[in-house]
Amino acid sequence: SQQGEEDPQALSIQEGENATMNCSYKTSINNLQWYRQNSGRGLVHLILIRSNEREKHSGRLRVTLDTSKKSSSLLITASRAADTASYFCATDEGKAAGNKLTFGGGTRVLVKP
Amino acid sequence: NAGVMQNPRHLVRRRGQEARLRCSPMKGHSHVYWYRQLPEEGLKFMVYLQKENIIDESGMPKERFSAEFPKEGPSILRIQQVVRGDSAAYFCASSPGRASQPQHFGDGTRLSIL
Repeated sequence: SQQGEEDPQALSIQEGENATMNCSYKTSINNLQWYRQNSGRGLVHLILIRSNEREKHSGRLRVTLDTSKKSSSLLITASRAADTASYFCATDEGKAAGNKLTFGGGTRVLVKP
Repeated sequence: NAGVMQNPRHLVRRRGQEARLRCSPMKGHSHVYWYRQLPEEGLKFMVYLQKENIIDESGMPKERFSAEFPKEGPSILRIQQVVRGDSAAYFCASSPGRASQPQHFGDGTRLSIL
């Protein structure tokens, strides 16, 4: 499997529910980032968590990172219809790797009103 | 608009033609990355450039593809003699180049090959 695999591939929830998606990766990382992509648009940066951090919050978003398991999770609380989008995790292996990002295949989230 | 600007948003080419995709990074950003996205997939790294230098082109096909980021003007991703398999969305991202800084993405160029 690839670096930065998301699970599940698709998620359908009712407005107000929480959405949780997971990301696994294989190599050592400098940081892990989560992005959102609306249909036909570019990626919007949501949150960056460094390898020495375990949890980070931003508004209704909560990200965890477990470097021993090489996994991360993104929780969106109290979802809204506007949260409907694809969500991608991306790993940054640091300056030696040019800080290029390696993306997973994404989780497609549908929030039904 | 201080964001990453890509143009054109949509580009249609016939097989064998050339495609030129442009990217102007965010103000103050000197690092540019190009990624390609096939339908229903994540983005795949192609090339990383700084002004007048290609730093990492390990994700770029060896033939027909080239990229530049001149001292003046936008970064250009050039695809010569396009084939159907080049149809994809091409995204540019920029960053200031400091450690643990997010990349900021443009809205992409959707390339369709007839």
